[in-house]
Amino acid sequence: GQQVMQIPQYQHVQEGEDFTTYCNSSTTLSNIQWYKQRPGGHPVFLIQLVKSGEVKKQKRLTFQFGEAKKNSSLHITATQTTDVGTYFCAASSGNTGKLIFGQGTTLQVKP
Amino acid sequence: ETGVTQTPRHLVMGMTNKKSLKCEQHLGHNAMYWYKQSAKKPLELMFVYSLEERVENNSVPSRFSPECPNSSHLFLHLHTLQPEDSALYLCASSQDGTGNSPLHFGNGTRLTVT
Repeated sequence: GQQVMQIPQYQHVQEGEDFTTYCNSSTTLSNIQWYKQRPGGHPVFLIQLVKSGEVKKQKRLTFQFGEAKKNSSLHITATQTTDVGTYFCAASSGNTGKLIFGQGTTLQVKP
Repeated sequence: ETGVTQTPRHLVMGMTNKKSLKCEQHLGHNAMYWYKQSAKKPLELMFVYSLEERVENNSVPSRFSPECPNSSHLFLHLHTLQPEDSALYLCASSQDGTGNSPLHFGNGTRLTVT
């Protein structure tokens, strides 16, 4: 079945450093969504990418969708302690309602 | 965010018990989902309901039984569970059931099976 691979699993950074997580699929995706889950919380939707090569920004966060619509990345510039949490990508390859989540990247930020 | 409400927040049950998890959404969405989140595992899709019809059953054991009486309510009935079923069970809703609209999650039910 469809799988979405996300790397790295964990990332520890010093406050102010940049952070990137990558999401890859072997199949062409209809769209990709990104979520953030704070410790003890639930996943919260951040953004959705639909078009090939799409780039979207939210303040210090930059999201990219690959040209082949098989990979995506989330980049955080100058991390802050409020960025701590697990970032998940989620993707579907059709209109089945089957949104598959990556394993998540857990970000720790040292002040 | 209080758009999706799950009860109870925590549940401890024995392997012979029968219990139910409840989810209610106040967002006017047409699709609802159950996901399972275990430690060190990705979120696992269990069930999808779109317009109150089950459109996805992701090879979930029969000891988990979903029920969707209307587009605002979703239940997960549990019976004769195993200790490995201990996990965070997350309910979510979305505008439609195509997989192309964002999910809004509830706070989850932390289930422990003893």
